[in-house]
Amino acid sequence: DTAVSQTPKYLVTQMGNDKSIKCEQNLGHDTMYWYKQDSKKFLKIMFSYNNKELIINETVPNRFSPKSPDKAHLNLHINSLELGDSAVYFCASSQDWRATDTQYFGPGTRLTVL
Amino acid sequence: GNSVTQMEGPVTLSEEAFLTINCTYTATGYPSLFWYVQYPGEGLQLLLKATKADDKGSNKGFEATYRKETTSFHLEKGSVQVSDSAVYFCARAFSSQGGSEKLVFGKGTKLTVNP
Repeated sequence: DTAVSQTPKYLVTQMGNDKSIKCEQNLGHDTMYWYKQDSKKFLKIMFSYNNKELIINETVPNRFSPKSPDKAHLNLHINSLELGDSAVYFCASSQDWRATDTQYFGPGTRLTVL
Repeated sequence: GNSVTQMEGPVTLSEEAFLTINCTYTATGYPSLFWYVQYPGEGLQLLLKATKADDKGSNKGFEATYRKETTSFHLEKGSVQVSDSAVYFCARAFSSQGGSEKLVFGKGTKLTVNP
């Protein structure tokens, strides 16, 4: 059983399109995250949800909109895709919102914007 | 600032060599510190952590000691294996004034171990 799963694994699309990435965790965790990893492997947090409530919203363009329908799911919708959005997007989860809590990462979604 | 600085990679070693990956942090207090590892094609996974000064985290033969005097958390392993080839990320916990907490990652160090 995969603890944190993401779909799709690869996403290739044209500039200007709208796309979504889905994430599910079966660990019973309260907190979920979205991270962006650029081509140089630099990893930065984008959003965090705790019990379906947004608790971290970094300086991310408002073209990015996370949605958490329940504690086990956190989806990421991106409007009007730009070339600079090309990256690997990781979902993660942890038992609670404290940074000391171990985060479990999904396998990533590689987004390529042409 | 509240940042993490890791040694630049890539690092290439032969099997059974000694590994050190340097990591230093800046902080106003004593944040929890972590090493995460990313194997090829996978997401990150926690390797080890230390939550207070002088703590030593260890796992799978890797060790790191939280040294507040030098604000460092260097990763070491006495004898690396080909299977240790991965990207290693140092990270620190960061608490905002609003009470939320997050991890701040270093830029990652790619390790390649040759047989």
